[in-house]
Amino acid sequence: DIQMTQSPSSLSASVGDRVTITCRASRSISSYLNWYQQKPGKAPNLLIYAASSLQSGVPSRFSGSGSGTDFTLTISSLQPDDFATYYCQQSYSSYTFGQGTKLEIK
Amino acid sequence: QVQLQESGPGLVKPSETLSLTCSVSGGSISNYYWSWIRQPPGKGLEWIGYIYDSGTTKYNPSLESRVTISVDTSKTQLSLKLRSVTAADTAVYYCATLVGPTDHFDFWGQGTLVTVSS
Repeated sequence: DIQMTQSPSSLSASVGDRVTITCRASRSISSYLNWYQQKPGKAPNLLIYAASSLQSGVPSRFSGSGSGTDFTLTISSLQPDDFATYYCQQSYSSYTFGQGTKLEIK
Repeated sequence: QVQLQESGPGLVKPSETLSLTCSVSGGSISNYYWSWIRQPPGKGLEWIGYIYDSGTTKYNPSLESRVTISVDTSKTQLSLKLRSVTAADTAVYYCATLVGPTDHFDFWGQGTLVTVSS
């Protein structure tokens, strides 16, 4: 199984901040990495697929990068709607998710 | 746009079978890979399995011995059966489309909470 580890597990930030969340795979997954945003009581929402492709309708302040084992999700300027939990997910071998990063208001 | 709606009992007794249905609208059930994913309260996401072409399935090895996913094309529904449940199977269960070639989960249902308790 491929394990996905996100860091940090939680993060406090302010509106307007630039935020980066990291996801590390236990072995190389090429670019088979997706990012989701989940708000309380809601289903996850796809933000980024194939490591760096922005899903249609997702604001351009979200971006993804990386390949192999190390990936990042960056929010260039936090907006109030962005406070949520973020998950990475690999699709190189079966499908596994990271444990999540909870982004809270400072 | 595809819309998904999960339904089923909210309470299941230990050792019994959890049965859920996902109703599909806005798209052909034959055109997608369909997945089930679950999330225990306050925890992360776990992929359960998928079905495509109305019959080809792949399951999470950790659940494979207890899971069956099927599709009823006439009813545009997919179903999930999880046998011999325990409290560890308590979770919100989601159905979702799985889109290739990079296999991301695109459209999701709103989820349904299933509690395993006597």
